[in-house]
Amino acid sequence: DTGVSQDPRHKITKRGQNVTFRCDPISEHNRLYWYRQTLGQGPEFLTYFQNEAQLEKSRLLSNRFSAERPKGSFSTLEIQRTEQGDSAMYLCASSFDPIRDSSNTGELFFGEGSRLTVL
Amino acid sequence: AQSVAQPEDQVNVAEGNPLTVKCTYSVSGNPYLFWYVQYPNRGLQFLLKYITGDNLVKGSYGFEAEFNKSQTSFHLKKPSALVSDSALYFCAVTEGFKTIFGAGTRLFVKA
Repeated sequence: DTGVSQDPRHKITKRGQNVTFRCDPISEHNRLYWYRQTLGQGPEFLTYFQNEAQLEKSRLLSNRFSAERPKGSFSTLEIQRTEQGDSAMYLCASSFDPIRDSSNTGELFFGEGSRLTVL
Repeated sequence: AQSVAQPEDQVNVAEGNPLTVKCTYSVSGNPYLFWYVQYPNRGLQFLLKYITGDNLVKGSYGFEAEFNKSQTSFHLKKPSALVSDSALYFCAVTEGFKTIFGAGTRLFVKA
């Protein structure tokens, strides 16, 4: 399977602990996105990478959230000092770069998500 | 800022009947519009998109959507619903590199 994979699928943690999620995008894609989805809501944009460069991170919810994509391949999303309000599904998506591939118009390919429960 | 609205939290339809899931958008230029579907315990899947050209676009699983510029709408349609179409549907619009999603509409198809 060459789709987007995320790990772990489910994480239960106690308030105050740090958690890290990993995303492996489709290998040909150079764009990678993180979204957060809470119950009854659509995905909320968090951050975006083009290759290894993080081009937009203003939507990361607080300075407790950080994301990396060190070699332009997989990415990690870390949440420090978790709070109960961080409980959500964290989604990763990847896509082609429309500039590099003019036939592509930016549809996203999502992983199955990492569900975080903070007790 | 660009946005999409899905006015219905849930749509109920009988199997075999046509279905419509509504979406309206607000954009500052020409919109790139998308529909995605989310099945239980699965990631979001791309269904179809409108970029330019024909107002009626066809996508996966027999779905289609009609772009209406004057009404700023992009409703998702299917002529004959299946029970397996029951899922959560999201309308989305791109703003540069960012895709913005609506709150979602749950479609329930009854046998």
